[in-house]
Formats: sequence, C-alpha cells, structure tokens
Amino acid sequence: QKEVEQDPGPLSVPEGAIVSLNCTYSNSAFQYFMWYRQYSRKGPELLMYTYSSGNKEDGRFTAQVDKSSKYISLFIRDSQPSDSATYLCAILQAGGTSYGKLTFGQGTILTVHP
Amino acid sequence: NAGVTQTPKFRVLKTGQSMTLLCAQDMNHEYMYWYRQDPGMGLRLIHYSVGEGTTAKGEVPDGYNVSRLKKQNFLLGLESAAPSQTSVYFCASSPKPGNTIYFGEGSWLTVV
Repeated sequence: QKEVEQDPGPLSVPEGAIVSLNCTYSNSAFQYFMWYRQYSRKGPELLMYTYSSGNKEDGRFTAQVDKSSKYISLFIRDSQPSDSATYLCAILQAGGTSYGKLTFGQGTILTVHP
Repeated sequence: NAGVTQTPKFRVLKTGQSMTLLCAQDMNHEYMYWYRQDPGMGLRLIHYSVGEGTTAKGEVPDGYNVSRLKKQNFLLGLESAAPSQTSVYFCASSPKPGNTIYFGEGSWLTVV
C-alpha cells in the first residue's frame, strides 16, 4: 500500500465549477500537508501547506485536513481554464525515523474547459 | 525555480551504461530530495538527505545510489542503466520541514 493515495482522474469540469481534489494517507507520523500544481514539462510549484486539522484558505483555494480520518482535500472555487494542470498532494514526516521524508500522491489531472 | 539547478537536462543512455545526475542549490538548504516522475505515477521519492553526509532511502531506491558530500550538492547515480529507469528526474531542496520546497527544472533521461 502506498503511503499517500490520490485519485489520478482525469477530472474535467466547466469554467466556474467548484473542484474537489482528495488524498488519503496511512502514516500517523505525517505532520505537514501540502498541495502542489504542476504544468506540463515543468517542476511542481507549491500552492498551499498546513500542519493542523481544519481549513486553510488562500484566495480561491481551500486546503482541508482531517487527521482523524487521514484525509486531505483541496477545493478550488470559481475554477478557471488557467487552473488546468496536475495537482499533487504531498505529505512530510516531521518526526520519527523518517524525519524529513516528503511523499507525493500520484497526482490528479484537472482540465477546466471554457 | 531559482536556486536549484539540475545537470544534465536531457540524456540518452544505452542499457548498462552509468551516469550521474547533479543537483546543486545555493540556498544553504539542509534537506534535498531526488524524485522520478512517470505518467500516472506522480512523484516517487528515490532518496533523500537531511543534511551533509547523510542519505536515506525513499520509495523506489533500487538501481540508484546517492551522495551528499557537500551541503550544496546531491548526486544521483545510475550504476547500470536499465530501460525501466527512463523517466523525468526532479531534485528538490528545503531549509527544514514545513518550509517551502524548491524544485529544479527536471532532467529527462532515456535508456535505450
């Protein structure tokens, strides 16, 4: 079983829709939770990160963490064609024997069509 | 992706050849990572380092070796390249857990 599981999609939505992206994880030592966006043939870029359960907002993006269920989500409101990319969740171990280990999900391919 | 440089960007190898990918960062970061990315597989961690002189295995370490002799450099070696190692390789660095992680531009490797 992978430490971080993410539905690869692909996901196709109309412009203006609310997008929900999700990951599950298995290791309770995970303490930092991140979402990255990656455009074709480019390196990932950080969208958001958090280390606690609950919601964190940044503009049209909301990251949600539920540590009791080991479940993280990214919501995109009023989605735009420029949001079309691959979205990757990433989880960092900040404790235990694998301190510093950063693990990514498989990535979800999102297309927002006009 | 200022600060993290990967060399080379493109390389074609024959099966059985060896090569080294170099990742260099000029931000004095402690943590460095090597990932490979294949279609539908996301980023898979090969090896990582939490400081100069230290390395640790990630999810897919077989067939690769790494060294972190200097803080600013993290080398990824393929001793005997196989077609299964055809991939895009990304290096990343971070000052410490919880800080922004910076990625390089990627290195495209093809093994024929």
